[in-house]
This record gives sequence, structure tokens and C-alpha cells, in this order.
Amino acid sequence: DTAVSQTPKYLVTQMGNDKSIKCEQNLGHDTMYWYKQDSKKFLKIMFSYNNKELIINETVPNRFSPKSPDKAHLNLHINSLELGDSAVYFCASSQETVYNYGYTFGSGTRLTVV
Amino acid sequence: AQTVTQSQPEMSVQEAETVTLSCTYDTSESDYYLFWYKQPPSRQMILVIRQEAYKQQNATENRFSVNFQKAAKSFSLKISDSQLGDAAMYFCAYRGGSNYKLTFGKGTLLTVNP
Repeated sequence: DTAVSQTPKYLVTQMGNDKSIKCEQNLGHDTMYWYKQDSKKFLKIMFSYNNKELIINETVPNRFSPKSPDKAHLNLHINSLELGDSAVYFCASSQETVYNYGYTFGSGTRLTVV
Repeated sequence: AQTVTQSQPEMSVQEAETVTLSCTYDTSESDYYLFWYKQPPSRQMILVIRQEAYKQQNATENRFSVNFQKAAKSFSLKISDSQLGDAAMYFCAYRGGSNYKLTFGKGTLLTVNP
């Protein structure tokens, strides 16, 4: 009964490869996000989708492409992986109502590029 | 742009004692939300407490409480009766009322000594 689930939890890959991270939420939330946490633990938003529509697209290399097939899923595809892409990637979701309950996060995907 | 500052990279506390983590933020908005998230070694992001800017009363969740000073743009977290399980990285976060984006501070690593 995991609320926000990400797969895989760990990903080790070589430079130049293409990889995807999947995220699913069963909370009925209408907005989903991707955050990147770097080696110094700093969290920065990358993308956000609201009901399958892209609403936030921060300054992220265009090698990163999010895809939302429906409002319960938000996947992240990364082309031509670089060493600097090594980080923990978090998926999160929220429900936009008058009362803001904050985000619910997945457990993160640790991506290591070698 | 909104910024969130946590001036204490590390803090330590004795078990059963009280500790306060500091957070300041910069915004020109009048409607916003503030959050504290906990990230234990498991890396899961856990919502600890939230505060709506329009509420003057400070939020409380069991042993966790905040001191929200709107004019000073300060939002500190007090942990009472600290427990070993409280050891974690704590992130302060801001979200504008009309904006989906959650902006995080750089975090404070809390150590609880037995």
C-alpha cells in the first residue's frame, strides 16, 4: 500500500547510456514532481505535472525528459548519462486544494553513473 | 525568487533534551506555506510539521512545534524530549500560495547523543 513508489531504488550505469526511472502514486493526487538531491543533500525541483500537463520545467539539461501517461504516473527518462547526473532522484505528489497538505515523497532512486 | 536559509549545518542534542533548528526565508508573497521535513539515513522524506502563513497560532505535532515569526520571516523547529530516532537531516521548505514549487533549505544534520 505504498503511497508513492519509485523504481528502481538503485541504478548503476555507464556514461553515455539512457535510463528511465518510474514513479506511481496511489493517493489520487493531481500533481507530481521530480526533485534531484545532490551529494551535498541539496534538493532542487526539476519538473512538475498537474493532471498530465507540464507546469514546472526548471533549468534542466534537455537530456532529461519527463513523461506523464496519466495523473498517477510520472516517469523520468535520461539520455546520454553523464558523471554529474549521479544523485538521488525523488518523485513526489500533492493534491491542490484550499488546504495544502504538503508533498508526499517516494523513497528515492540513487543513480550512480560510472 | 524565494530563498530558504538554514544557518546551522549540524546540531547535536542529548537524548531527552530539547533542541531548536533555525530557518529563515525570503518572500514578497503574503500567502504561503512552510514545512519541516525529516530525512533519516533511510533517505525517505517525511513531513514533520506544516504552518500556514495566515495562521498566527504556531503548529504543534506531539513533540514537534514551530515558532513562526511572520514579520521576521523566521520558522524554527523545536524538538522536545529528543529521541534517538530523531537523528536525521531536517529540511525547512517554503511554498507560495499560488505556486506549486517547494523550495528547500540546505538542511541541518541533527545528531542525538545517548
